[in-house]
Amino acid sequence: GESVGLHLPTLSVQEGDNSIINCAYSNSASDYFIWYKQESGKGPQFIIDIRSNMDKRQGQRVTVLLNKTVKHLSLQIAATQPGDSAVYFCAERVTYNFNKFYFGSGTKLNVKP
Amino acid sequence: KAGVTQTPRYLIKTRGQQVTLSCSPISGHRSVSWYQQTPGQGLQFLFEYFSETQRNKGNFPGRFSGRQFSNSRSEMNVSTLELGDSALYLCASRGDNSGANVLTFGAGSRLTVL
Repeated sequence: GESVGLHLPTLSVQEGDNSIINCAYSNSASDYFIWYKQESGKGPQFIIDIRSNMDKRQGQRVTVLLNKTVKHLSLQIAATQPGDSAVYFCAERVTYNFNKFYFGSGTKLNVKP
Repeated sequence: KAGVTQTPRYLIKTRGQQVTLSCSPISGHRSVSWYQQTPGQGLQFLFEYFSETQRNKGNFPGRFSGRQFSNSRSEMNVSTLELGDSALYLCASRGDNSGANVLTFGAGSRLTVL
């Protein structure tokens, strides 16, 4: 079946450093990807998305990179702040099953002051 | 534009009871999906409803059921609760299938089964 996995379950970074969170996906039929941030006690919040016809997309302090050759997705956070501490999920949308989304297990980002 | 609203936010039940959770999607969104999230786990897909019809279902027992009303609001029900059903239940809505339609989540309903 489909799987979306994260390489590192926990990532600790120093405030001000850049963070990179990785995600592997397995389905070639995925056409759209989203990164979500989930803070304690809250639902996942949209951070940034990317379509499969792109390999890079930038937002405010965040960049998503997509490598379809090796089925790899990454989220880069520039100048990481304490408010970035959360669990980050990647999600892939497959082009069947009514464009169903599959989620990874999440990576916890700890930002040390 | 109001987001996805879930009620109740917190509830405590005992084993054997049943529970109903409610979700109001973003106005205009016809798709509502439900997920179960437990500590250390990712988001486990329960089911998706679109225009009052279930069109996707995850690998959960029949104790877990749902429905969607004509106004797109959705409910999920868990019968004969077990301790392992303690979790955060998340609802998400999205527009139609075309384009980059983001799945927008509610804050969740935290269920504790004693």
